[in-house]
Amino acid sequence: DAGVTQSPTHLIKTRGQQVTLRCSPKSGHDTVSWYQQALGQGPQFIFQYYEEEERQRGNFPDRFSGHQFPNYSSELNVNALLLGDSALYLCASSFIWGRSGELFFGEGSRLTVL
Amino acid sequence: DAKTTQPTSMDCAEGRAANLPCNHSTISGNEYVYWYRQIHSQGPQYIIHGLKNNETNEMASLIITEDRKSSTLILPHATLRDTAVYYCIVTLSGNTPLVFGKGTRLSVIA
Repeated sequence: DAGVTQSPTHLIKTRGQQVTLRCSPKSGHDTVSWYQQALGQGPQFIFQYYEEEERQRGNFPDRFSGHQFPNYSSELNVNALLLGDSALYLCASSFIWGRSGELFFGEGSRLTVL
Repeated sequence: DAKTTQPTSMDCAEGRAANLPCNHSTISGNEYVYWYRQIHSQGPQYIIHGLKNNETNEMASLIITEDRKSSTLILPHATLRDTAVYYCIVTLSGNTPLVFGKGTRLSVIA
């Protein structure tokens, strides 16, 4: 049973460019959340998708957008990249009616903005 | 902001119990205590969670004080592979966004 998979694992972009990160949730999960983790900090919540809609959003600008597909996979898009967007981007999946409520995280996509 | 306070770092000898404390004095009655850990270069991993009662699973034990203002995560026999950053999180449920602090960096020493 594959866990949460993310792609790409590493990428380098320049300021002003756009990036798309992808996530496939754990089998049986229907909810995907995205987190940003700067170096030396804990992950920060970006947004959560369920039934192809953004359900909750953290304190991130509109440059950060997302999408969830009918197969529950998800994309995170970041426009007009800034140096400060350099971070590890983590995807986490869960089942909306799960009993334990734990999140399963992927290994992350490490974005470097030059 | 995170609702929890954890020590920045701790050391533990291999084979000994690792006791990681967490203060959450403003916890409300319907909020759970969750513990996650993050091994270097990996995503966070769920360990355990509880509401009022002490909990135990194959990974760890969670001891919550009677007033629920603090808790302790116990790894009964720490190994080198337990070296990681441990996050204590207070939240309504797993589907509520998790608010991570900086966690405790646990170093297990041979």
